[in-house]
Order: sequence, then C-alpha cells, then structure tokens
Amino acid sequence: KAGVTQTPRYLIKTRGQQVTLSCSPISGHRSVSWYQQTPGQGLQFLFEYFSETQRNKGNFPGRFSGRQFSNSRSEMNVSTLELGDSALYLCASSPILGGESPLHFGNGTRLTVT
Amino acid sequence: GENVEQHPSTLSVQEGDSAVIKCTYSDSASNYFPWYKQELGKGPQLIIDIRSNVGEKKDQRIAVTLNKTAKHFSLHITETQPEDSAVYFCAASYYGGSQGNLIFGKGTKLSVKP
Repeated sequence: KAGVTQTPRYLIKTRGQQVTLSCSPISGHRSVSWYQQTPGQGLQFLFEYFSETQRNKGNFPGRFSGRQFSNSRSEMNVSTLELGDSALYLCASSPILGGESPLHFGNGTRLTVT
Repeated sequence: GENVEQHPSTLSVQEGDSAVIKCTYSDSASNYFPWYKQELGKGPQLIIDIRSNVGEKKDQRIAVTLNKTAKHFSLHITETQPEDSAVYFCAASYYGGSQGNLIFGKGTKLSVKP
C-alpha cells in the first residue's frame, strides 16, 4: 500500500498570503489528522476529519481551517499568514476514529513564511 | 489539559550500548501507547506500540514496558546502531478532543556514536 502523501513538500510564502496544503491518506483510511511541528512546541494537534466531518479541533486560531473530501483526501488552509506559522505541517491517517489505532504520518509540508 | 512528559530530551550512546527513554502520562483513561521514530526530513514512523492490558512488548532490539499504576512507560533499544540515531516520540491515547486522540511527548534526540 502507498503511504500517506503530502504535497507540496516545501512552500515559501509571504506574510499576509494564504496557503493550501494537501494530504492523500492510505487507501481505506477514513480518518485524517493534521499536526503542526515546531522545534519549541513539538507536535501540536490542529484538527481531525472523519467521513468528511471535522471531529476534533485543536487550539489554533480560525485562520487555520481544513476539509475532507468523499475520497478521504484532505486539505488544510491557512489564511493571512504570520511569521509564526513557519513550521512542518504533518498529516496522519488512521483506519478508524479515535486514539486506539496507530497514526500513519506523511513526510510533511515545510512552510516558511517570510 | 492532559500531558505526556518525556525524558531525556537528548541522549548520546556508543554503538552497541542500550538506550532507554521514559514517558509519564496524566490521563488515567489512556490505554494505547505508541512510539514513533522521526528521521531528518521525514515524518514520524510508528516503531512499536503497547496497550494497557499488556505490561511489556518486544520486537527484535526494541521493547516497551508499561506501568499503569505509576502511569509511565519506557522504550528500550538494545545493541544500538548508528541508524538508530533519530528523534523518538512517545504518545498516549486521549479522549478529550482539543488535544487530539494522541498526546505526544516533546521528543528525545538519540545520537548513536560509531
């Protein structure tokens, strides 16, 4: 099976712009979670989608949003980018909803905001 | 919110030695504990996991132990090799929502010197 695929791998944006990141989960996985990874804060949960519905949301401002399509692919969007949004954004998929199944991570999208 | 403490933050060992990473969790309802390895430029990859009805699990050179009473679990790597050098994350399942379904420790950077 192909793993979790995230595109693009790298992005450079300017403050104030918006960005969309894409994630294709492992075939058959219906849950997609997004995490922000920074050296100081570690892995911070953004949101989780299951069957096209947002099930959980982390403590991030409304500038961070996401969606999931009927084929389980997911996108996240960050509007009005700030310098502090520079991070590695990781997508993870799981066959079921909830915390008792392993998360399978992609290699992430490295976002740099200048 | 709930928390997972991970120690040490950095660990340096000689090739062939053993390495131990310890984690403590706060939510007594947690019952699934995965460990992830993250190499440079890649996303975290699951290396081993344990559920609360098991006290110990082993996979070749890697073992995990769980003490539910004390709320701590540990990763043991024996006969370390240079390719074991990476950042390791522990995690505990959580059902509270805003922190996601897995709460992660801050990570341990393991360096194995040849």
